[in-house]
Amino acid sequence: GNSVTQMEGPVTLSEEAFLTINCTYTATGYPSLFWYVQYPGEGLQLLLKATKADDKGSNKGFEATYRKETTSFHLEKGSVQVSDSAVYFCALRENNDMRFGAGTRLTVKP
Amino acid sequence: DAGITQSPRHKVTETGTPVTLRCHQTENHRYMYWYRQDPGHGLRLIHYSYGVKDTDKGEVSDGYSVSRSKTEDFLLTLESATSSQTSVYFCAISSSGTASTDTQYFGPGTRLTVL
Repeated sequence: GNSVTQMEGPVTLSEEAFLTINCTYTATGYPSLFWYVQYPGEGLQLLLKATKADDKGSNKGFEATYRKETTSFHLEKGSVQVSDSAVYFCALRENNDMRFGAGTRLTVKP
Repeated sequence: DAGITQSPRHKVTETGTPVTLRCHQTENHRYMYWYRQDPGHGLRLIHYSYGVKDTDKGEVSDGYSVSRSKTEDFLLTLESATSSQTSVYFCAISSSGTASTDTQYFGPGTRLTVL
């Protein structure tokens, strides 16, 4: 079956540091890939998505590229801010089958 | 933001009691989903609906039932709550269930504690 594995947290960075959160997936078909972000006490918000191989999703300075050859969708940001502190979830969707990673908590310190 | 509300936002109940959580949407989306969020597991699908009175099971459906009598409302019922059902429950909606490219939008969540 389909599954998503993402790096365990927590991740703690200083402001303006470079961020990478690794995500790999297993899928039987051709899923779409997503990154969601969850701020404290809130629901999940879509951060970015990519629907086919080699697509790059980007939003608010975050980027991720759909790599079919390595079955990966790593999240990156060049310079994090304190306001980026949240839990990040990698997910894949194939029709009505949506699978999430366990989440990675990011804390950015001033 | 997608128009999704959940009620109640917090609930504490006792083992063996019935509990119903409500999800309400104003987007007229056909598909609605219930997930639970637990540490180390991310989100896992409980049940989903693809139309009024049309529902199907997800990955962790045991102990849960759902109903959808109107497009805008999707109810999740725990017939006899157990401590293992202590969790945060999220509702989600999407306009398509067959297009993998379609985005699911999430409600604010309900924190349920079963004592």
